Amino acid sequence: AQSVTQPDIHITVSEGASLELRCNYSYGATPYLFWYVQSPGQGLQLLLKYFSGDTLVQGIKGFEAEFKRSQSSFNLRKPSVHWSDAAEYFCAVALILTGGGNKLTFGTGTQLKVEL
Amino acid sequence: DSGVTQTPKHLITATGQRVTLRCSPRSGDLSVYWYQQSLDQGLQFLIHYYNGEERAKGNILERFSAQQFPDLHSELNLSSLELGDSALYFCASSVSRGGTDTQYFGPGTRLTVL
Repeated sequence: AQSVTQPDIHITVSEGASLELRCNYSYGATPYLFWYVQSPGQGLQLLLKYFSGDTLVQGIKGFEAEFKRSQSSFNLRKPSVHWSDAAEYFCAVALILTGGGNKLTFGTGTQLKVEL
Repeated sequence: DSGVTQTPKHLITATGQRVTLRCSPRSGDLSVYWYQQSLDQGLQFLIHYYNGEERAKGNILERFSAQQFPDLHSELNLSSLELGDSALYFCASSVSRGGTDTQYFGPGTRLTVL
């Protein structure tokens, strides 16, 4: 069965420092991968997605992620973190189901704290 | 603002009761998905509807049911509520039903069962 692992539950970085959030997936076929961000009391906002092609994808708010098939990873990065980036980040993989449906399987999330 | 609306924002009810959560997808989106977010289970897929038809089921309890109406809005019905049903329930929508479709999430309905 497909799964997504986010090994870091909490990460604290200083404002202006670089950030990398780890995501590993388990999926038999070519994965469709997503990163979402959830601010307190808010819904999930899509940061970026990977389907095929260039393995380095750019997203909103200065985020990028790199797909590495050999490592089954899709890590999220940002060169310089802003205090407003403090939130919870979720990695997800889409699974196509029989019957024409699909679903997202999410990791457990990484809570990012930014120190001023 | 994703364009997906959910009502109500908060719901407080008692065990054994029944509630209905409502979702309006983005204009033009045919798919609606429901997810449950709880502290112990994380984000779990419940069900997917496409153009009025159920397309996929996840870890949805038999006490829960959903439907998508001709105007494409969706309702999630939760009955015989238990304390453990307290969670944040998200609705998401997408244009079609492909795995490459971006799912846009609503702000969620926070359900508290006392």
